Amino acid sequence: EVQLVESGGGLVKPGGSLRLSCAASGFTFRNAWMSWVRQAPGKGLEWVGHFKSITDGGTTDYTAPVKGRFTISRDDSNNMVYLQMNSLKTEDTAVYYCATLAPRGVFDFWGQGTLVTVSS
Amino acid sequence: QSALTQPRSVSGSPGQSVTISCTGTSSDVGNYNYVSWYQQHPGKAPKLMITDVTRRPSGVPDRFSGSKSGNTASLTISGLQAEDEADYYCCSYAGFYTYLFGTGTKVTVL
Repeated sequence: EVQLVESGGGLVKPGGSLRLSCAASGFTFRNAWMSWVRQAPGKGLEWVGHFKSITDGGTTDYTAPVKGRFTISRDDSNNMVYLQMNSLKTEDTAVYYCATLAPRGVFDFWGQGTLVTVSS
Repeated sequence: QSALTQPRSVSGSPGQSVTISCTGTSSDVGNYNYVSWYQQHPGKAPKLMITDVTRRPSGVPDRFSGSKSGNTASLTISGLQAEDEADYYCCSYAGFYTYLFGTGTKVTVL
């Protein structure tokens, strides 16, 4: 059974930093593209970024609003993916989901999400 | 890049059919057969319902179907059931390994 478990959310002040973690199990992690998707309160889903599998190049892509501020990394030895968020803004307030991603845009499996609140 | 456009809400009685549209541009929906649909119940994570415009993953009821014409994709729920009441989001590949979600549609079962 595929399981994705996010952690690390919380309250942070504007300009601050936070690192989210996602623990994966139940599939061959090293072959998976791992992504982050967020959902602001009462709003829709937004793709944040992803980290391709090493065999597919091991590179990252990000949505424009987070480029230069957010960094996704992965640890294939421990089946973990991370989202480092710097220079946080109030508009980054959202539930952040970890999800597996097929390159053609299929977010197959999702975690339960972790809430990040950016507020003074 | 702007979010794909979906109607804010649709509704139907049990047993009826409802269709949700998802309108993009020739750079995303119109250029790739890579549209997926997700169902989200309140307080829950999204669930994959349709991939590649028309394909249903294992375990998804066959009353859910997808289609596409030009820059608009659609999700149809036939034989509406109470448990289908949820928010639905489309998603399209937009090139250069970027992805766009729709604005979301609330389906209400009357």
